[in-house]
Amino acid sequence: QLQLQESGPGLVKPSETLSLTCTVSGESIISRTYYWAWIRQPPGKGLEWIGSVYYSGSPYYNPSLKSRVTVSVDTSKNQFALKLISVTAADTATYYCATLHSRSWYNDFWGQGTLVTVSS
Amino acid sequence: QSALTQPPSVSGSPGQSVTISCTGTSSDVGSYNRVSWYQQPPGTAPKLIIYEVSNRPSGVPDRFSGSKSGNTASLTISGLQAEDEADYYCSSYTLTTPYVFGTGTKVTVL
Repeated sequence: QLQLQESGPGLVKPSETLSLTCTVSGESIISRTYYWAWIRQPPGKGLEWIGSVYYSGSPYYNPSLKSRVTVSVDTSKNQFALKLISVTAADTATYYCATLHSRSWYNDFWGQGTLVTVSS
Repeated sequence: QSALTQPPSVSGSPGQSVTISCTGTSSDVGSYNRVSWYQQPPGTAPKLIIYEVSNRPSGVPDRFSGSKSGNTASLTISGLQAEDEADYYCSSYTLTTPYVFGTGTKVTVL
C-alpha cells in the first residue's frame, strides 16, 4: 500500500525558507503512474494546490506561488521536496504531500499533513 | 486561475439526499473528465471519493455518486448518514493552471 509521510520544521520565521520532505513507501518515486504533489490548507480554509513534479520532466506550479516555489524529486531516497522562499504569515498552513494520477489528475493517496507556522 | 465555485454549506436529515455543485469554466470542468471529489472530516487529511467525474475508488460506498453537465460537476450523497458530515472539495485539471480545487462545501447532517 502506497504511503506518504511529510517531515520538516513546524515553525519558520518570516522572510525565511520553508522546506518540507515527503517520504514515499510502497511505490517507486520513478513511477509512471504518478506525479508527486504538494497541497496546503490554511487554518479554517480550503485546499490550495502548490505544485507537482514527475520523476522526469519539468514541474508544474500554481501561478500564484510560482515565483517562490520549487518542487523536486530525490530518486536515491524515494522522496520529493518542497521549498517555499520569502514566507509570510499567509503561508501558515497544513501542508500535505499527495499523489497526483498522471493520466486523470486526481489525488488518490495523501500524507497525514504537517502544520507549518510562520512566526517570529 | 480562480478556484472552482462550490456552495459554502449544504445540509440534510439522515436518509435524505444532498447534492453539491462545482462550477468551473470551459477551460476546466467543461472540457475535461478529470474532475474528482474529496471528503475531509475535521482534523483529517482529505480522502478521494470520486475520480474521473463519476468513478468510485474501492471501498467508497455507492451512496456517493458524481456527474457533470456543461461547466458544472455535481456530487450527490444519497441516504445521508451522520458519518457523512465533513467538508467536501472538488478538483479539476485545467487548461491553464493546470490543477485547481473547489472552494469547499460543509455538509451538515441535521
